[in-house]
Amino acid sequence: EAQVTQNPRYLITVTGKKLTVTCSQNMNHEYMSWYRQDPGLGLRQIYYSMNVEVTDKGDVPEGYKVSRKEKRNFPLILESPSPNQTSLYFCASTRDRAGELFFGEGSRLTVL
Amino acid sequence: KQEVTQIPAALSVPEGENLVLNCSFTDSAIYNLQWFRQDPGKGLTSLLLIQSSQREQTSGRLNASLDKSSGRSTLYIAASQPGDSATYLCAVGMDSNYQLIWGAGTKLIIKP
Repeated sequence: EAQVTQNPRYLITVTGKKLTVTCSQNMNHEYMSWYRQDPGLGLRQIYYSMNVEVTDKGDVPEGYKVSRKEKRNFPLILESPSPNQTSLYFCASTRDRAGELFFGEGSRLTVL
Repeated sequence: KQEVTQIPAALSVPEGENLVLNCSFTDSAIYNLQWFRQDPGKGLTSLLLIQSSQREQTSGRLNASLDKSSGRSTLYIAASQPGDSATYLCAVGMDSNYQLIWGAGTKLIIKP
């Protein structure tokens, strides 16, 4: 089954404790991206990657890091999480810019 | 800077009605436009994808149109059902880069 898998789905952590949200897709897609979704602000793109070793900033990259060492994986790293990073995070992938975008189920992160 | 607006923010209609959701954008230099559905606490599901060279796409009871020159897209839902209740989002793919610009969504409630 074609899917985008994120882990963890739910996480509560404390300020400053590094964490990684993993994202994996099994569709051999070139393009992957991370979004956060907040009430009243909608979906905002954090980072995106057009291919292995190629990443670029989206609208709200501050406080986040990403890497794309393999085509299927695109982890999101919060080096020193802060409460304003409490949000619902989505990973997405598509074969190329003309293709349909597939989303993961989301990861709800709470930073205390 | 591209801005995407969805009106109305919320809509409640009786079951069986045909309805139209609107998406407008300020910059016509788009690559494509996608409509998504999001159920509460869930990820996003792609409904229809329209490339910039296309005027419309259809899938079952859904029809999406695109008018680049006027900066508008509509999502037409025929014979609405309670299961159509969800938030509908549109996203514009920019011609100049790989970014997607999102509308804030329309929350649709279909009353039985």
